[in-house]
Amino acid sequence: EPEVTQTPSHQVTQMGQEVILRCVPISNHLYFYWYRQILGQKVEFLVSFYNNEISEKSEIFDDQFSVERPDGSNFTLKIRSTKLEDSAMYFCASNVAGGIETQYFGPGTRLLVL
Amino acid sequence: DQQVKQNSPSLSVQEGRISILNCDYTNSMFDYFLWYKKYPAEGPTFLISISSIKDKNEDGRFTVFLNKSAKHLSLHIVPSQPGDSAVYFCAARDLSGNQFYFGTGTSLTVIP
Repeated sequence: EPEVTQTPSHQVTQMGQEVILRCVPISNHLYFYWYRQILGQKVEFLVSFYNNEISEKSEIFDDQFSVERPDGSNFTLKIRSTKLEDSAMYFCASNVAGGIETQYFGPGTRLLVL
Repeated sequence: DQQVKQNSPSLSVQEGRISILNCDYTNSMFDYFLWYKKYPAEGPTFLISISSIKDKNEDGRFTVFLNKSAKHLSLHIVPSQPGDSAVYFCAARDLSGNQFYFGTGTSLTVIP
């Protein structure tokens, strides 16, 4: 069964450093999403991406964050200058036609900012 | 601002019995509700959903009930199986269709 993959599974970085989290969505999917879950808290929507542009973003997704689809397979989330509070599990998701119920989630990247 | 709340962080149920997971929300503009299941080291997977125009949706052992006046939904699993042990997230979508709000999750343990 096709699946969304994410790399790395864990990343530790120093505050102020840039990080890039990578996702490979399912190949025929057209809509891509990033979510995060701070330890012990709810899963939070960050951004949705379609047709090479952001279609929706939450208040969390400020100028420190950016997304990109650099080629036909990868979907990346960049945090320009990490803060301690960016420590969280970051989930990528994708689906064919939009709509939350058909989203397929990746296993997540655990980011720890020191 | 916790618009979707799951007040029980954990629940234990005997195998074969019913599991009831609860979720409350505050925003009357939510039009679609979903339950996700999450195993350790995996992303959430969609389980079942319900539109705000319905009050019940059933899929096999899983049934979701929506009480709009009380702004409450629940997920019933019957009979519960050990493989159901996971964290269950309630989620809601507002009318714009793009903003999604998750609860903090309830960890269900089904005891064999």
